[in-house]
Amino acid sequence: DIQMTQSPSSVSASVGDRVTITCRASQDISNLLDWFQQKPGKAPESLIYGASNLQSGVPSRFSGSRSGTEFTLTISSLQPDDFATYYCRQYKSFPVTFGQGTRLEIK
Amino acid sequence: EAQLVESGGGLVQPGGSLRLSCVASGFAFSDYRVDWVRQAPGKGLEWVGRLRKRTESYTTEYAASVKGRFTISRDDSRSSLYLQMNSLGVEDTAVYYCVRVASSYSYDYWGQGTLVTVSS
Repeated sequence: DIQMTQSPSSVSASVGDRVTITCRASQDISNLLDWFQQKPGKAPESLIYGASNLQSGVPSRFSGSRSGTEFTLTISSLQPDDFATYYCRQYKSFPVTFGQGTRLEIK
Repeated sequence: EAQLVESGGGLVQPGGSLRLSCVASGFAFSDYRVDWVRQAPGKGLEWVGRLRKRTESYTTEYAASVKGRFTISRDDSRSSLYLQMNSLGVEDTAVYYCVRVASSYSYDYWGQGTLVTVSS
């Protein structure tokens, strides 16, 4: 199975800050990774697919990138609505696997 | 807009069975692969399984943790997806989500989830 190691597990930041979340795959997954945002008590919402493509309707302050087996989600200027938990997911092979999640909290 | 609505969750005793449903609307359900993903209370996301579409012979994939106990099926005429869960254990307690798989194999739409609690 492909392991997805997500870091940090939690981060505190302020409105307007730039935040970076990382997922590292245990083997090559090409660009087959997406990112999700989940708020308490709600279903996840899709943010980015194919490592760097924004889903329709997602604000442009969200971006994704890849360097080898390391993937990064960047929020360029945090807004109040962005405080949530973020997950990555690889879909290169079965079983599909998720990162452990990153909780983004208000400082 | 695409929408997925799950139902069928509830309290079940260990060793029992439950069938979840997911009704799709706003898109041609038969054209899409669909997954089930679950989330135990306070935990992360765990993939459960996939059901492909008619042109892919409705083939399935399952996580090792549920293989042989869970069965995914669909009724395209009803735009519905099902998850039959047998031999349930306390470790199966979770919110279960159905998720649409886009042509790129990414996830684009999630249902709101249905809670399954396995307890005596």
